[in-house]
Amino acid sequence: QQQVKQSPQSLIVQKGGISIINCAYENTAFDYFPWYQQFPGKGPALLIAIRPDVSEKKEGRFTISFNKSAKQFSLHIMDSQPGDSATYFCAARGTGRRALTFGSGTRLQVQP
Amino acid sequence: EPEVTQTPSHQVTQMGQEVILRCVPISNHLYFYWYRQILGQKVEFLVSFYNNEISEKSEIFDDQFSVERPDGSNFTLKIRSTKLEDSAMYFCASSPGGTDTQYFGPGTRLTVL
Repeated sequence: QQQVKQSPQSLIVQKGGISIINCAYENTAFDYFPWYQQFPGKGPALLIAIRPDVSEKKEGRFTISFNKSAKQFSLHIMDSQPGDSATYFCAARGTGRRALTFGSGTRLQVQP
Repeated sequence: EPEVTQTPSHQVTQMGQEVILRCVPISNHLYFYWYRQILGQKVEFLVSFYNNEISEKSEIFDDQFSVERPDGSNFTLKIRSTKLEDSAMYFCASSPGGTDTQYFGPGTRLTVL
């Protein structure tokens, strides 16, 4: 019930294309959904986050789409660049809690 | 820009030995966390710490683990008797009050032989 399922495991996109990563959850008590970006040898860094009271949040080339009824959320990277090549993790946090539950990660490779 | 720092970057130890992983959270942050990431797997929550006590812990955080904030700047994770399965990257994170964002350090790679 605490799991966050993430897909795909890996993704190859051409430069300028759209990268889409999906996550699904079961716990309806989750109230905060961040996406983290991780480069090799580095810790995860917050990319963008959303709360369930909105269906979409956009920051630059990064957009989160959130479907509360389906219990799904996704990250869209527009105009993908080689510098976006990294591992992306979705996460969720329960109401009143501090612990983040992470998805299994998506390794994105943007080819020039 | 302030960052969470962790030392050492890589720790090698023998099974059964005690290890202490050290972290310096961002100054003025109030919440502190430890996560771990076994190679190739997802990041897993271990423990959160607030106001000098554990506020939340996972099933992974058993009696072999302990955390401490010995002074105003450091935050440590101690593993009393390491096991082979403790081999992982351990991330420290911190967050200020009034925000959801957790800032992660670069991690300490623990190798248990």
